[in-house]
Amino acid sequence: RKEVEQDPGPFNVPEGATVAFNCTYSNSASQSFFWYRQDCRKEPKLLMSVYSSGNEDGRFTAQLNRASQYISLLIRDSKLSDSATYLCVVNMIVDTGRRALTFGSGTRLQVQP
Amino acid sequence: NAGVTQTPKFRVLKTGQSMTLLCAQDMNHEYMYWYRQDPGMGLRLIHYSVGEGTTAKGEVPDGYNVSRLKKQNFLLGLESAAPSQTSVYFCASSANRGTEAFFGQGTRLTVV
Repeated sequence: RKEVEQDPGPFNVPEGATVAFNCTYSNSASQSFFWYRQDCRKEPKLLMSVYSSGNEDGRFTAQLNRASQYISLLIRDSKLSDSATYLCVVNMIVDTGRRALTFGSGTRLQVQP
Repeated sequence: NAGVTQTPKFRVLKTGQSMTLLCAQDMNHEYMYWYRQDPGMGLRLIHYSVGEGTTAKGEVPDGYNVSRLKKQNFLLGLESAAPSQTSVYFCASSANRGTEAFFGQGTRLTVV
């Protein structure tokens, strides 16, 4: 079982649609959570951090459920420019006492005109 | 603003050859990482460093070595390249373990 799991998609949605991505993680001791965006053949870039109380940044809303070890990203009013792969990232223990960012495989979003 | 710079950007190696990938960051970050990205696999951690002079193994360290002699540089070495090491390699850095990581533009390596 992968430590951070995502539905690979692709999610094909029309412009203006609302789309939600989910992510589960295996280590309950994980402390930090992020969503990154990766465009084709480019490096990943931070989209937003995910806080326990949930947080919103414009059309994007991220939520964290620690009890269920589940993270979500909601995109409202999708734009063509939102087409990309969205990576769920968790800061978790990779060996004794040390943590590093662990990435999900990503969910691909294609917004269509 | 340089941020994280990787060299080279592209490379083709023959099986058995060696090479070193260089990552340099100018943000005075403590943490640095090397990941590889393969289709359908996401980014997998190869090695990482929590400060100058330290290195640690990640999820897929076999066949790679690293060094962090200077805080700003993190080198990834392939001693004897294999076709299975064909991948896109990303270096990243972060101020500490819980904060945003900044990535280099990637190195596309093909081993034939």
